[in-house]
Amino acid sequence: QVQLQESGPGLVKPSQTLSLTCTVSGGSISSGGYYWSWIRQHPGKGLEWIGYIYYSGSTYYNPSLKSRVTISVDTSKNQFSLKLSSVTAADTAVYYCARDGSGNRIFDLWGRGTLVTVSS
Amino acid sequence: QSALTQPRSVSGSPGQSVTISCTGTSSDVGGYNYVSWYQQHPGKAPKLMIYDVSKRPSGVPDRFSGSKSGNTASLTISGLQAEDEADYYCCSYAGSYTLFGGGTKLTVL
Repeated sequence: QVQLQESGPGLVKPSQTLSLTCTVSGGSISSGGYYWSWIRQHPGKGLEWIGYIYYSGSTYYNPSLKSRVTISVDTSKNQFSLKLSSVTAADTAVYYCARDGSGNRIFDLWGRGTLVTVSS
Repeated sequence: QSALTQPRSVSGSPGQSVTISCTGTSSDVGGYNYVSWYQQHPGKAPKLMIYDVSKRPSGVPDRFSGSKSGNTASLTISGLQAEDEADYYCCSYAGSYTLFGGGTKLTVL
């Protein structure tokens, strides 16, 4: 079955750019119909949707993060990626990649998540 | 846009029913039938339990049900079992935004 796996540095310095990759296995990211999202969870807190990308490359971002977020897709590697610039301690969170099957923010498949700490 | 409002905690005994509410506005919960619910056990990723207000994904027990009235959505878990103890989050499509609730900790007594 389809699985998602996040990867990337667990520690990022303030003001730098956080970069994460989600690898999709067991299915093609290009099969269409799916929107590939990033969601984060601050320690001990709730969930925050960051944005999504369609396999064609079209993107949609949370307006509150839009100025700092870039989501891209590499169909040849079956991966999509997140870049979050100018990070601060407030960006410390567990970052999840997830699949939205409808474009209506219904997340039916999640990766295990990866903790990213912003600290000098 | 503010997060959706959920009670911080609810509890129930095995076999009982509990209901978790999720209150938003006419711009999110009340305006769209795209409310979903997620179950999260400690240290695990969230799992989709209900979507489109009241639909259950394959494999989710029918003890879990969802509904909506006005700007408030609800998740009801009947026949509580020990493994239902977890955090539950609601989520609503809101056009430009996607809103999550702050989460509700369900304790099975």
